[in-house]
Amino acid sequence: DIQMTQSPSILSASVGDRVTLTCRASQSFSKWLAWYQQKPGKAPNLLIYMASTLQSGVPSRFSGSGSGTEFTLTISSLQPDDFATYYCQQYKSFPCSFGQGTKLEIK
Amino acid sequence: QVQLVESGGGVVQPGGSLRLSCAASGFTFSSYGMHWVRQAPGKGLEWVTVISYDGNDQNYVDSVRGRFTISRDNSKNKLYLQMNSLKVEDTAVYYCVRGGRYQLESAVDYWGQGTLVTVSP
Repeated sequence: DIQMTQSPSILSASVGDRVTLTCRASQSFSKWLAWYQQKPGKAPNLLIYMASTLQSGVPSRFSGSGSGTEFTLTISSLQPDDFATYYCQQYKSFPCSFGQGTKLEIK
Repeated sequence: QVQLVESGGGVVQPGGSLRLSCAASGFTFSSYGMHWVRQAPGKGLEWVTVISYDGNDQNYVDSVRGRFTISRDNSKNKLYLQMNSLKVEDTAVYYCVRGGRYQLESAVDYWGQGTLVTVSP
């Protein structure tokens, strides 16, 4: 099974900051990775798939990159609506494992 | 618009059974793989199971294999999760989620609102 590890677990930042969240895989694979945003009490929302493809309707301040074992999600200029928990997920092989999440908090 | 509406959650004793349903609308249900993803209270997301667009292929996380069964009825646009031999650690919100078109391995793009399953003595 592929294990996904996100860092940091908690990130404190301010509106306007540029932030980068990291997701590391226990095995190498090419681009079969998605990023999701979840707000309290709500279902997750797909942001990025195939490591770097922006889902329709997602603001362009979100971007994804990486391949192999290290992937990143970057938010170029944090907006108040971006404070949430972010999860990565690999879908290279079953079980389609999620990372444990990064909680993005207001500093 | 795509809608996924789960039902069937509730409180059950350990060892009991529950059947979740998911009613899908707004897309060609029979063309998409479908998943169940769960989230224990205050915890992260856990992928549980997937079924292919035609129902012929399934896959499960090890912790539920042999206890849970995913199925679908494409004539009714419905997805199901039969959960047997439930354990306290199965307590979670269960989400019905749309996968890829004609693909088993895929990102998941639309989520239901979730249904809470509580397994408690």
